Amino acid sequence: SQQGEEDPQALSIQEGENATMNCSYKTSINNLQWYRQNSGRGLVHLILIRSNEREKHSGRLRVTLDTSKKSSSLLITASRAADTASYFCATDAVGRRALTFGSGTRLQVQP
Amino acid sequence: EAGVTQSPTHLIKTRGQQATLRCSPISGHTSVYWYQQALGLGLQFLLWYDEGEERNRGNFPPRFSGRQFPNYSSELNVNALELEDSALYLCASSPEHVGEQYFGPGTRLTVT
Repeated sequence: SQQGEEDPQALSIQEGENATMNCSYKTSINNLQWYRQNSGRGLVHLILIRSNEREKHSGRLRVTLDTSKKSSSLLITASRAADTASYFCATDAVGRRALTFGSGTRLQVQP
Repeated sequence: EAGVTQSPTHLIKTRGQQATLRCSPISGHTSVYWYQQALGLGLQFLLWYDEGEERNRGNFPPRFSGRQFPNYSSELNVNALELEDSALYLCASSPEHVGEQYFGPGTRLTVT
């Protein structure tokens, strides 16, 4: 079953704009990860944030985690056409070591 | 450094047949994970192997099985194929005790 729900399901923006995607989950976690998938191919790991962290940056990516609300957000700044992909959050639940994925957000960046 | 590799890229089988999918992890990674991405069902965890042992299993019937070899490569076997087994099967690997999982390009299985 899908633990995470992502919002929005689809997002279309212009190049240069920022894109924000949200993820909610249900159980206690060790960490939360964000992945990107291009056109039904393999997933690319973007960033991992541990349960005791609140914010993390990597290049144009900023991830926040609120464990009290069981939610996370991914911000992509100054988006590029190459950022067009599906983005998934995945949680590593305590004692499980198997990722549970959200339903994904399809991001379309218009050049 | 070579990434996770999977073979074959595409596999077409008939209902009732068996399918075997293969995965080679990143060198030095001891854990291998299998996931199924079926249309409308999203990404679902199938199996986790570490040091040759099955460590965890998702909510899939026993006809989904696998193994991990001494060189840490892995095989996923799906017996008595059903039409709904058509999906992209993704393999991932990770070093021991590290959260990040690194995914291969996937095997697209089509059952007709």
